Amino acid sequence: DIQMTQSPSSLSTSVGDRVTITCRASQSIASYLNWYQQKPGKAPKLLIYATSTLESGVPSRFSGSGSGTDFTLTISSLQPEDFATYYCQQSYSFGQGTKLEIK
Amino acid sequence: QVYLQESGPGLVKPSETLSLTCTVSGYSISSGYYWAWIRQPPGKGLEWIGSIDHSGGTYHNPSLKSRVTILLDTSKNQFSLKVSSVTAADTALYFCTRDIGNYRSDYWGQGTLVTVSS
Repeated sequence: DIQMTQSPSSLSTSVGDRVTITCRASQSIASYLNWYQQKPGKAPKLLIYATSTLESGVPSRFSGSGSGTDFTLTISSLQPEDFATYYCQQSYSFGQGTKLEIK
Repeated sequence: QVYLQESGPGLVKPSETLSLTCTVSGYSISSGYYWAWIRQPPGKGLEWIGSIDHSGGTYHNPSLKSRVTILLDTSKNQFSLKVSSVTAADTALYFCTRDIGNYRSDYWGQGTLVTVSS
């Protein structure tokens, strides 16, 4: 089984900051890497698929990149509505999540 | 717009079978795509359970495969999940989703909490 490991598990950050979340696979994977955003009490929302393709309606401040075993989600300028938990997913494996908190 | 709604008992006894149904509106499940179940234990991360394609082919998380059954009911535009021999570890918020390929879930239900307890 491929394991997905995210880092950091949590991050205290401020509005306007540039944020990068890393997702590492236990072995090299194809570029079918998805990112989701989840707010408390809500279902996750698809942000990025196939490593770097933005889902329709997702703001352009979100971007994804990577290949092989290392992938990143970047938020270029954090907005108040971006404080949430983010998950990467490859196949049936999810990362453990990264919670963005207000500093 | 596609809508998904989970339904089923909120409380299941240990060793029994958990049964949930997802009702889909706005899209005919027989037209294509995959229909998936994902769960989230309270305060924890996401776990992909399995999916079924529009023809009835099923795909499972190896860690749960032996206990999971996913079925399609195209006449009602529903799909269902059964998890047998449940324990407290199966207590979770269960989501149904539309998977448009490569495990990409673009539409989600609101989730339904299932508690396993005697």
